[in-house]
Amino acid sequence: NAGVTQTPKFRVLKTGQSMTLLCAQDMNHEYMYWYRQDPGMGLRLIHYSVGEGTTAKGEVPDGYNVSRLKKQNFLLGLESAAPSQTSVYFCASNIGQYTEAFFGQGTRLTVV
Amino acid sequence: SQKIEQNSEALNIQEGKTATLTCNYTNYSPAYLQWYRQDPGRGPVFLLLIRENEKEKRKERLKVTFDTTLKQSLFHITASQPADSATYLCAPYNNDMRFGAGTRLTVKP
Repeated sequence: NAGVTQTPKFRVLKTGQSMTLLCAQDMNHEYMYWYRQDPGMGLRLIHYSVGEGTTAKGEVPDGYNVSRLKKQNFLLGLESAAPSQTSVYFCASNIGQYTEAFFGQGTRLTVV
Repeated sequence: SQKIEQNSEALNIQEGKTATLTCNYTNYSPAYLQWYRQDPGRGPVFLLLIRENEKEKRKERLKVTFDTTLKQSLFHITASQPADSATYLCAPYNNDMRFGAGTRLTVKP
């Protein structure tokens, strides 16, 4: 049982490049979330999903897109990376409301 | 707009004392509230969940209170230990799961 796995763990992008971060969970969870964490800012919700085929915007969705084509996977895309998107990205999942969330180990993204 | 505030960025206490962390929220009516612990370089780990109709919840040395009138949750760690040093995050749930900025707790031996 791997829990929540994020791929890749580290990445350096040039401004304007695109990339996709993958979050995979093997716990059959319905809800999945993407966050970014910057120093002093805590975790900020980018997008989330309450089930396969559904997505919704969080606090800071601009510059990101997401897809949940399969229940176990939640993809976060950056179409044209900007230095302001340099951050640590965390994915989380839970069964639903009123349940604990499990987090991945994080992806450290640097945009130069 | 919705706002989540945790009392201070950093809290230093002596080993054996009780640490009290505060989470305040505005423009929110959370159905429940969670507390997580985060160590450097790691993802947050769940600690406790308290529902809006619960006043208090305990787990070993941890205690959480939830006051929907004050729009506040208090998180207590009794008999604190250096191993309790970490950042603690609160997450009041209202349609989605958002977090406060966290309080970095340091317990000195």
